[in-house]
This record gives sequence, structure tokens and C-alpha cells, in this order.
Amino acid sequence: SAVISQKPSRDICQRGTSLTIQCQVDSQVTMMFWYRQQPGQSLTLIATANQGSEATYESGFVIDKFPISRPNLTFSTLTVSNMSPEDSSIYLCSAREGVNYGYTFGSGTRLTVV
Amino acid sequence: AQSVTQPDIHITVSEGASLELRCNYSYGATPYLFWYVQSPGQGLQLLLKYFSGDTLVQGIKGFEAEFKRSQSSFNLRKPSVHWSDAAEYFCAVAAEGGNKLVFGAGTILRVKS
Repeated sequence: SAVISQKPSRDICQRGTSLTIQCQVDSQVTMMFWYRQQPGQSLTLIATANQGSEATYESGFVIDKFPISRPNLTFSTLTVSNMSPEDSSIYLCSAREGVNYGYTFGSGTRLTVV
Repeated sequence: AQSVTQPDIHITVSEGASLELRCNYSYGATPYLFWYVQSPGQGLQLLLKYFSGDTLVQGIKGFEAEFKRSQSSFNLRKPSVHWSDAAEYFCAVAAEGGNKLVFGAGTILRVKS
């Protein structure tokens, strides 16, 4: 299965600033996703990163706050904009190679906003 | 829309004892079901998945899960737990041919020696 490299692995950011998280897959994949895992919580899908078009956002998530890029079939970025302490979470990138391969996850970015 | 319930937030078992983690899903058609494990500070690792066919699925690290359509369940089992199995376990469902995964709340497994 695909291997996902995600960086940074962790960061501490000031409120009001933005952070861009990068996700690199070692092979071409059909679908890429971004999830948020708030402290002590499960994973919530933020959006599906579509190659060559705008991302598809889940209810409660908006492009202005979480802009996403996917310029090709192996790379995507998630930006957390105008951060507040409530954005402190683990952000995970995921890829699906095809239905029978399951979904692979990166090791996550642990973000703390102070 | 699909949903997943993991009724046990925490489970503690003795090392060497058997384990069963419960998962119930809600989805009207054929679900794709997954179990993932997350160790502290780590990403998610796929333990096993079910799409169709044999309802008893074997995974990595000695885990297995059984799909029971009549009970809308996909419980994870292991006959003998090791201390290294202590982690958080997530059950997830995807719609047939669908894209996104929906996760349960997770079950934290503690292993006592």
C-alpha cells in the first residue's frame, strides 16, 4: 500500500497566523482526504482533496478557513488559516488507492495554537 | 448517512487474555468496514478490512473481525492480548463504492500485566 509522508509532524503557532501542512504519497492515488482529530476525540473528515479542482468540504468546514490544494495525484496541502486555540488538533492526511486497498494515513501533524 | 458506534470508551484486559472490541454500524446498503489502531503520538494503521465474501476477516498482529449483517456489527477480536496492543482502536465504515470514511469514537485498550 501507499506510504504517506506528512510534514511538519508538529508545530506550535501563534493565534492569528496560518500553517500549511504538506502530504506526499509515494505513488499516484485516486483520492486524498484531510481529517481533524481534536484532543481525545475521533477523526472528522474536513474535506476531499480533488486533483485539479476545488476540494469538497464537509459540513462545518469552509474553504476560507481550510484551503486545500492538490496539484497532482501524489501531493496535497492543507492550510489552517487565522488560527485560534480551538484549532489545536492533530491533522491527518489520508489516501485511497482504490476500493480494495483501503485507506492509508499519514502520521499526522500535531498543531498547538497559543 | 452512515454512522459507527463503539460502545466501549475504555477496556482493560490482562496480558494473555482474549479481547473483543465492539463496533456497530448504520448503513442501508453493503458497507465497507475497517478497523484501525492508533498508538500514542502515531497515525492510524489498518488492522483489517471487509468488503465482501467470507464474513470472518483476518488481519495483522493476530487480529480478526467478524461481519454480522443481522446485527450490523463488526467486532474485533484477538485470542491473546500482548502489552504492545495497548492503543486506541477505531472502527470505520465507508459506503459501497463511496469515498469518505466515517469513524467511531474509538476504544482505548489498556493491558495490565
